[in-house]
Amino acid sequence: DVKVTQSSRYLVKRTGEKVFLECVQDMDHENMFWYRQDPGLGLRLIYFSYDVKMKEKGDIPEGYSVSREKKERFSLILESASTNQTSMYLCASSLPGGELPQHFGDGTRLSIL
Amino acid sequence: GDSVTQMEGPVTLSEEAFLTINCTYTATGYPSLFWYVQYPGEGLQLLLKATKADDKGSNKGFEATYRKETTSFHLEKGSVQVSDSAVYFCALEGQNFVFGPGTRLSVLP
Repeated sequence: DVKVTQSSRYLVKRTGEKVFLECVQDMDHENMFWYRQDPGLGLRLIYFSYDVKMKEKGDIPEGYSVSREKKERFSLILESASTNQTSMYLCASSLPGGELPQHFGDGTRLSIL
Repeated sequence: GDSVTQMEGPVTLSEEAFLTINCTYTATGYPSLFWYVQYPGEGLQLLLKATKADDKGSNKGFEATYRKETTSFHLEKGSVQVSDSAVYFCALEGQNFVFGPGTRLSVLP
């Protein structure tokens, strides 16, 4: 089975801190994604990557950056955390092509104080 | 661009009731369609999928049929259980991967 592992289930940080959320997948998937999930808004795509060192902006990239130095790892970075970035963050991976679904990690619930 | 619309929740049912969660989509071409389920405290899990018109996806008693004429992919289950309480997301993969807003289902014993 595909496993997508997010490094933390719960994280509490302070406003202005630089925050790193890590995600690792073990199935050699080319595609990796970061979403945030908020009540009433569903999942919103922050960034995605189709290959090592490649990144593409999603729908809400402002205030975030990403890093994909290795195929299995996709990091989300909050450059200067703000309270409106308190959310559930979900990482996903997939192979290219429309018939194969995205596989999700269990999520990181991030609170910015 | 591509989009997915789901019925507003929350949906509250008694155990063994019939479930329908409506999903309609807008997309160019022929997207693949998915239903994901998110149990409390967990990430999303793929529940079922359909890749072309008239395909029926099924899993764990849930079914959904890809209806191109009505651009719909409604989720159904004949008899829900308390353990089905979760948030259900309809999604499509066309030019991009797009999720609906989710529908929270609560099943009461």
